[in-house]
Amino acid sequence: AQTVTQSQPEMSVQEAETVTLSCTYDTSESNYYLFWYKQPPSRQMILVIRQEAYKQQNATENRFSVNFQKAAKSFSLKISDSQLGDTAMYFCAFMKHGEVDMRFGAGTRLTVKP
Amino acid sequence: DVKVTQSSRYLVKRTGEKVFLECVQDMDHENMFWYRQDPGLGLRLIYFSYDVKMKEKGDIPEGYSVSREKKERFSLILESASTNQTSMYLCASSLRAGEQYFGPGTRLTVT
Repeated sequence: AQTVTQSQPEMSVQEAETVTLSCTYDTSESNYYLFWYKQPPSRQMILVIRQEAYKQQNATENRFSVNFQKAAKSFSLKISDSQLGDTAMYFCAFMKHGEVDMRFGAGTRLTVKP
Repeated sequence: DVKVTQSSRYLVKRTGEKVFLECVQDMDHENMFWYRQDPGLGLRLIYFSYDVKMKEKGDIPEGYSVSREKKERFSLILESASTNQTSMYLCASSLRAGEQYFGPGTRLTVT
């Protein structure tokens, strides 16, 4: 079974600075998808960014980018120019190609300080 | 916009009660999921369904069952609630093997 590990339970960053959240995963599959989800306090979980394993180029969505290292099975999320609204729980998730169910990490609670 | 709704935001039940958690999505998604979210454990998959009347066990199905009689609705059933089932329950849906869209969650307390 695939496992997803987020080794940082809590992190904080000053507004406008950059922060990187770590995620590692364990799989024997070669084709899969990786996701970062954001869960703001008392609000619904939303997708931040998605990466296909067969793509070498790292995904980017505005201030959010990933560093995907397939050989190392590492998938970190970089948030640039942090904003107060980025305060949330962030979950890393893994999905095998051809399947529909995901496996999530334990989450990282990020606090952006003014 | 995809909308996933859950029947209750907060629910308090007694040990031994039968509990129904309802989830509805309005985007004709094939797949629906139930997770429980606990601090330090993240989201753990309880059950999912890829079609009407079809279901698959997730990682922690014990003590739970599900029902999907209509495409838009997926119910989670706790046959006899226990205190260790106190948790946040999240429903999600997806189209084929795509991103999942989540509901607001139901915080269930079993006393």
